[in-house]
Amino acid sequence: GENVEQHPSTLSVQEGDSAVIKCTYSDSASNYFPWYKQELGKGPQLIIDIRSNVGEKKDQRIAVTLNKTAKHFSLHITETQPEDSAVYFCAASIRGGSYIPTFGRGTSLIVHP
Amino acid sequence: DAGVTQSPTHLIKTRGQQVTLRCSPISGHKSVSWYQQVLGQGPQFIFQYYEKEERGRGNFPDRFSARQFPNYSSELNVNALLLGDSALYLCASSLGTSGGVGTGELFFGEGSRLTVL
Repeated sequence: GENVEQHPSTLSVQEGDSAVIKCTYSDSASNYFPWYKQELGKGPQLIIDIRSNVGEKKDQRIAVTLNKTAKHFSLHITETQPEDSAVYFCAASIRGGSYIPTFGRGTSLIVHP
Repeated sequence: DAGVTQSPTHLIKTRGQQVTLRCSPISGHKSVSWYQQVLGQGPQFIFQYYEKEERGRGNFPDRFSARQFPNYSSELNVNALLLGDSALYLCASSLGTSGGVGTGELFFGEGSRLTVL
């Protein structure tokens, strides 16, 4: 089955800095890579996703890049703000199938004011 | 519109007991999935249901079971509870499942936190 590795487990930055979270996956058939943000006491919420036919996708301060050859994808957050503090999860799945994503272990992002 | 709702939000059980967790999906969503999230880890897939049929099952023992009702709500049952079952149980709904139906986005509820003593 799919295996998703996520690093780092904790990331501490100053407000205004950039943050990068990296993930690798094992199944070359995976073609859909969502990122979820989980705030304390809440369920995960999708913030951005990318499909395998695209190398990069951007949405305001958030961007995701995908390297299919190396089987890794990354989340980039620019101009971080305290409200970005949360746990971020990457995931990998196969669209067109039953779509059951495999999640990474999560990255706790702390943005210091 | 209401999001995914789960009940109860918190519960405490003792080893050997049984628990039932409930989930109501977003209106119009026909697929419900259940995940277990242990502290410090990502969600682990337990079950997926679509149109009342089981479409996927994760690597969990037979003590775990689920079902989906005609109104698309769902229940997760766990029998003979163990200390290791203590976790946040998340329900997620989506528009569809196989065949690429829907966007693929999962909408999660806030979870049911189960503590087994």
